[in-house]
Amino acid sequence: AQSVTQPDIHITVSEGASLELRCNYSYGATPYLFWYVQSPGQGLQLLLKYFSGDTLVQGIKGFEAEFKRSQSSFNLRKPSVHWSDAAEYFCAVGSLYNNNDMRFGAGTRLTVKP
Amino acid sequence: GAGVSQSPSNKVTEKGKDVELRCDPISGHTALYWYRQRLGQGLEFLIYFQGNSAPDKSGLPSDRFSAERTGESVSTLTIQRTQQEDSAVYLCASSSLKAGNTIYFGEGSWLTVV
Repeated sequence: AQSVTQPDIHITVSEGASLELRCNYSYGATPYLFWYVQSPGQGLQLLLKYFSGDTLVQGIKGFEAEFKRSQSSFNLRKPSVHWSDAAEYFCAVGSLYNNNDMRFGAGTRLTVKP
Repeated sequence: GAGVSQSPSNKVTEKGKDVELRCDPISGHTALYWYRQRLGQGLEFLIYFQGNSAPDKSGLPSDRFSAERTGESVSTLTIQRTQQEDSAVYLCASSSLKAGNTIYFGEGSWLTVV
């Protein structure tokens, strides 16, 4: 069965510092990978997704993620964090053709220090 | 519509009462999903619709929970005899193969059972 692990429940970084949020997945077929962001009191907004092609994908708000098949990872990165990036981040894995198999990680809460 | 719309955005109900939560998916999206998110937790899959049928109801936590979808559009999630443990955000999402099968979320219905 597919699953997603986000090892870090809570991360604190200083504004302007770099950020990496970890995501490991387990999936039997070619995965369709996503990162979503959830600001307090809001729904989930798609940051970026990967299905095939270039393993480094660019998303909105200056985020990027790199798919590493050998490590079953899809880590999210940002070179310089802004205070407005404070939110909950969810990694998800699914199939392009079977979205009822989509599963989400437990989330990583990002706090940004001034 | 332009995005996934959910109503009510907030609902406070007494224990034992029934509640209905409504979801209007993005126009033309054939797939519709319900997730539950308890405070500080990740997303819990509840049910998935393809058209008006629900091939996967495996996430519904008990027989107090039911959902239907009509006209391949609006969906209603009904919780009967609510319990305090039902307090959570209920997130609806939709997707379409024609649109790359990315899942787009509404802002959620915040349910508090007192």
